[in-house]
Amino acid sequence: AQSVTQLGSHVSVSEGALVLLRCNYSSSVPPYLFWYVQYPNQGLQLLLKYTSAATLVKGINGFEAEFKKSETSFHLTKPSAHMSDAAEYFCAVTGGGGSNYKLTFGKGTLLTVNP
Amino acid sequence: DGGITQSPKYLFRKEGQNVTLSCEQNLNHDAMYWYRQDPGQGLRLIYYSQIVNDFQKGDIAEGYSVSREKKESFPLTVTSAQKNPTAFYLCASSILGMNTEAFFGQGTRLTVV
Repeated sequence: AQSVTQLGSHVSVSEGALVLLRCNYSSSVPPYLFWYVQYPNQGLQLLLKYTSAATLVKGINGFEAEFKKSETSFHLTKPSAHMSDAAEYFCAVTGGGGSNYKLTFGKGTLLTVNP
Repeated sequence: DGGITQSPKYLFRKEGQNVTLSCEQNLNHDAMYWYRQDPGQGLRLIYYSQIVNDFQKGDIAEGYSVSREKKESFPLTVTSAQKNPTAFYLCASSILGMNTEAFFGQGTRLTVV
């Protein structure tokens, strides 16, 4: 079965600093990987997704992620943090054979941006 | 506007009562899902459905029930058998396929009083 592990439940950065949120996946077949963002008391919004077309994926709000098969990683980055980036971020995976299209989520990383 | 509507946004339940959370979508998606979110736990799948009148248990189905009588509707009932129902519940939908993203509602926060 596929799974994702997010390293670090809480990441704190200064405004203008690099944002790096880590996600490692485990899957017996090529995975489809997603990053979602959640603002307080709201649903999840898709930031970006990897579907094997390109290893570097660009998403909304200046975020991007790179798929590295050798490291089984799909880390999320943004060159310069903005106060509005403060939210919880979730990595998710589908795949695993058959009709296993269900999203399996990591436990989330809360991003704090300090002025 | 197309999207997913969850209601109510806040819900209070007395112990021993069943409550039903509503989820409606007008995206014409075949698949619908219910997730439970607790602090530090991520999202855990309760039930999912690929087609009308069919649904499958997710990872934490005990104490919950669902129905899928219409394509656009997937209500979740939290029964009295669910021992710790206080949580944030999220409904989502997607087209069928592993490389397609899910679209989420705004959630329902259920509190047992």
